[in-house]
Amino acid sequence: AQRVTQPEKLLSVFKGAPVELKCNYSYSGSPELFWYVQYSRQRLQLLLRHISRESIKGFTADLNKGETSFHLKKPFAQEEDSAMYYCALGSGGSNYKLTFGKGTLLTVNP
Amino acid sequence: EPEVTQTPSHQVTQMGQEVILRCVPISNHLYFYWYRQILGQKVEFLVSFYNNEISEKSEIFDDQFSVERPDGSNFTLKIRSTKLEDSAMYFCASGRELAYNEQFFGPGTRLTVL
Repeated sequence: AQRVTQPEKLLSVFKGAPVELKCNYSYSGSPELFWYVQYSRQRLQLLLRHISRESIKGFTADLNKGETSFHLKKPFAQEEDSAMYYCALGSGGSNYKLTFGKGTLLTVNP
Repeated sequence: EPEVTQTPSHQVTQMGQEVILRCVPISNHLYFYWYRQILGQKVEFLVSFYNNEISEKSEIFDDQFSVERPDGSNFTLKIRSTKLEDSAMYFCASGRELAYNEQFFGPGTRLTVL
């Protein structure tokens, strides 16, 4: 069975501080990991995916298969980063459902 | 930029009534999904749909649920006899291709069962 764990329900930091949102997964196959973000009153949208190895809005995430983690990091948080962040695991194969974590609400204080 | 749309944004219904939630996926997408999020809980997969048939469904997606793509644009989720525990936010998503590509989510329909 596949599972995604985001241990922090809430995370509060000050503007300019580093931020790390934790994500751990459990999956027997080759994992495909994503971070989705939901800003206030907006829809879920993809922030980044591990396969692309990209940095979006200053955020990066590295897949660590040994620790089964995909933590999201940003060196200097901005107020506009305040949002709900969901880590998601793609199942692969012909169905490709996403399994989401419970989400972490990030608040960046001025 | 094209977006997934969902109607209605909020649906209130009595227990035991049938509801149909509607979605218009992005036009050149081939894969369609329904997810739901009960208040305070995680987003959960319900069903995936491709080539006019269900690809996979979760344990939640029992006989009370059905999906349909009645024409070339709409993608609907029907709940035949709603229960109180069906109250949730229902998200439709679509994707152009499998794997390594994103699913585009609609804004959601909040279903309240009284």
